[in-house]
Amino acid sequence: AQSVTQLDSQVPVFEEAPVELRCNYSSSVSVYLFWYVQYPNQGLQLLLKYLSGSTLVESINGFEAEFNKSQTSFHLRKPSVHISDTAEYFCAVGKSSGDKLTFGTGTRLAVRP
Amino acid sequence: DVKVTQSSRYLVKRTGEKVFLECVQDMDHENMFWYRQDPGLGLRLIYFSYDVKMKEKGDIPEGYSVSREKKERFSLILESASTNQTSMYLCASSLRTGRGVNTEAFFGQGTRLTVV
Repeated sequence: AQSVTQLDSQVPVFEEAPVELRCNYSSSVSVYLFWYVQYPNQGLQLLLKYLSGSTLVESINGFEAEFNKSQTSFHLRKPSVHISDTAEYFCAVGKSSGDKLTFGTGTRLAVRP
Repeated sequence: DVKVTQSSRYLVKRTGEKVFLECVQDMDHENMFWYRQDPGLGLRLIYFSYDVKMKEKGDIPEGYSVSREKKERFSLILESASTNQTSMYLCASSLRTGRGVNTEAFFGQGTRLTVV
């Protein structure tokens, strides 16, 4: 069985400050890791994914996440957030890229001016 | 762009009604999924399907059934709606692993169902 833990349900941060959203997972098999973002009243959009290769993956809007196998973590970071980053962020794991996903409980990022 | 379309954004139904939630994808994806999203619980998998006519139970299938008669359409059925099924329902689809590069799941906009 797989599980995902997002320790922070809410993260308030000021605009232009750095942020880290934490994600830890457990699995008895190798997994693929994902971060999805949900803006208000919308569905989920893929932010970034780790399938293999470099453990540091980046999104087009400045987010990055690092796969750490020894710590079973996939934390999401951004060096300087914008108001428009306000959203809920979900970490997820799957046994393959297109397979069913196990999600964390989500972290609500609130960026303040 | 991949498009996953859910037939309704908002639905209000009465307890005991039979409810159909429809999902259509336009990218020839083999895999389709239904999740429900509740505050503090994240997304939980209800049912999924790897091909036409195929279905498998997810983590919380009780009170639900599904239908996949065509590859592009995956329907979620609440046989007798109850108030504890009030939730946001999200449909997703993906390519079968190995069929391409972008095999991750794509989500619809969600259907917010209220059972009164």
